[in-house]
Amino acid sequence: EIVLTQSPGTLSFSPGERATLSCRASQSVSSSFLAWYQQKPGQAPRLLIYRASSRATGIPDRFSGSGSGTDFTLTISRLEPEDFAVYYCQQYGSSPPTWTFGLGTKVEIK
Amino acid sequence: EVQLVESGGGLVQPGGSLRLSCAASGFSFRSYWMYWVRQDPGKGLVLVSSINSDGSTTGYADSVKGRFTISRDNAKNTLYLQMNSLRVEDTAVYYCARDRSAPDAFATWGQGTMVTVSS
Repeated sequence: EIVLTQSPGTLSFSPGERATLSCRASQSVSSSFLAWYQQKPGQAPRLLIYRASSRATGIPDRFSGSGSGTDFTLTISRLEPEDFAVYYCQQYGSSPPTWTFGLGTKVEIK
Repeated sequence: EVQLVESGGGLVQPGGSLRLSCAASGFSFRSYWMYWVRQDPGKGLVLVSSINSDGSTTGYADSVKGRFTISRDNAKNTLYLQMNSLRVEDTAVYYCARDRSAPDAFATWGQGTMVTVSS
């Protein structure tokens, strides 16, 4: 089973700064089946990025994803107040179907 | 509008049972794989169970295998999770989710329903 490591657990930024979040897989993620989600307190997760770099419907272009193999990155080009939240990465493996999440990175206001 | 609405959560004693439901609307329910994902209080996300579009293929996390059963009624646009032999460690918010027309990511989530297992 692939394990996803998101470190550090918390990052502190000021609004307007650029944020770069990391997700490292214990094995190569096939076909770049790596997704990113945002979760705010009391809310369900929201899909931001799928297939490592494709933005989901309605996601602002300040969110971008990159990476392949075992190293993936979510970048928020300029943090807005509503972007302070917890971010999770998630991978999919097809044979057999498996889905695993990282433990999340909290982006907090400095 | 694509929408998922869970119900059926609550407080149950260890060893008890609950049945969660997820009512889907705004999309062709019978065309999608569906999922249950849980989140322990203050912790991360875990895929509990999955089911393909016609209900013929199901999958479970090792921690719930043999105790939980996922099913669906495509005529009623509803997903279910029957949870038996509940344990304290099953306490979590349970989300119903739909993939994005490919099974690699979860595009739509319900609001979640809280399950508390405690004596």
